[in-house]
Amino acid sequence: EIVLTQSPATLSLSPGERATLSCRASQSVNTYLAWYQQKPGQAPRLLIHDASNRATDIPARFSGSGSGTDFTLTISSLEPEDFAVYYCQQRSSWPKLTFGGGTKVEIK
Amino acid sequence: VQLVESGGGVVQPGGSLRLSCAASGFTFSRSGIHWVRQAPGKGLEWVTFIRSDGSDKKYADSVEGRVTISRDDSKNTVYLQMNSLRTEDTALYYCAKDLAEKAIDYWGQGTLVTVSS
Repeated sequence: EIVLTQSPATLSLSPGERATLSCRASQSVNTYLAWYQQKPGQAPRLLIHDASNRATDIPARFSGSGSGTDFTLTISSLEPEDFAVYYCQQRSSWPKLTFGGGTKVEIK
Repeated sequence: VQLVESGGGVVQPGGSLRLSCAASGFTFSRSGIHWVRQAPGKGLEWVTFIRSDGSDKKYADSVEGRVTISRDDSKNTVYLQMNSLRTEDTALYYCAKDLAEKAIDYWGQGTLVTVSS
């Protein structure tokens, strides 16, 4: 089973700063990686699929990169509504999806 | 797109529940559907998937043999029959639409299952 490890667990930043979130896979997942945002009391929202493709209506400040085992989600300039928990998810073994443990982006 | 889960509740260990997911706003018969759960304060765990034509069903090892997914395209509804429930099955269960075998593009708001004596 492929394990996804996200780091850091918590990221403390101020609005306007750049956020860089990491997701590392225990073995190659090619570019079969997605990112989700989850706010308290809400369902997750798809941000990125296939490592770097923004989902519908996702702002351009969100970008994804990487392939193989190392992936990055970048938020170029944090808006107040971006403070949330972010999960990565791999589909190399689709339809059996696995998720990372999450990174919480909190206000510093 | 709307996905509305129902059927959650409190059940004793060893008990059963059937969850439902009513879908609208998209061509249901052409869409695969996942169930993903989230234990209180924890991360996301994929549970099961059913292909658009119902021909393929997959389950997480943690629920294999205890859970059955099915669909009724005439009602635009997916079901999750859960048997032999354990305390570790306590979670918010989300119904979610598959995006062309790439990811999950729409999620319901979830239904809470609590397994407790």
